[in-house]
Amino acid sequence: EAQVTQNPRYLITVTGKKLTVTCSQNMNHEYMSWYRQDPGLGLRQIYYSMNVEVTDKGDVPEGYKVSRKEKRNFPLILESPSPNQTSLYFCASSLYPNPSGGADTQYFGPGTRLTVL
Amino acid sequence: AQSVTQLDSHVSVSEGTPVLLRCNYSSSYSPSLFWYVQHPNKGLQLLLKYTSAATLVKGINGFEAEFKKSETSFHLTKPSAHMSDAAEYFCVVSVDNFNKFYFGSGTKLNVKP
Repeated sequence: EAQVTQNPRYLITVTGKKLTVTCSQNMNHEYMSWYRQDPGLGLRQIYYSMNVEVTDKGDVPEGYKVSRKEKRNFPLILESPSPNQTSLYFCASSLYPNPSGGADTQYFGPGTRLTVL
Repeated sequence: AQSVTQLDSHVSVSEGTPVLLRCNYSSSYSPSLFWYVQHPNKGLQLLLKYTSAATLVKGINGFEAEFKKSETSFHLTKPSAHMSDAAEYFCVVSVDNFNKFYFGSGTKLNVKP
């Protein structure tokens, strides 16, 4: 089954304790992205990657790191989490470039709910 | 700067009546536009997308949207609401090299029996 998986699904941690949220896709997609969802703000893009070893900042990259060493994996790293990073996080993937032109459909993971105390 | 405005944070309709969820975008370039739906405690599912082909786009579950460049709008409609349509809906725009995506703040649709 084609899917994007995220782990863990739920995480409660304390300020300053480094954590990694994993994301993996089995669709051989070039493009992967991380978003955070906060009430009333929709989803905001944190980082994205167009292919292996190619990453760039989205709108809200502060406090986050990413890496893309393999095509299927795109982990999100919070080196020193703070309470304002409490949020619902989504990973997504798509083809890139879109053979039909324009942006392609993104497929989303189930989300990771992070609480930083 | 690119942005997406969803004009209503909440919309309430009765089952069987039409649905209209409004979305306006700002972009200097030809955009790709999407509508996604999120049911409670679920991930996001694509409803439909516009990528410079036909301006009237049909999606899943009877939804459709019309791209109006002169009005910079991409409103989502459905002729007859069903209880299962109750969810949050997001309008999304992507521009330039289609690397970045901008989400609206969402519209929560309530469907009354």
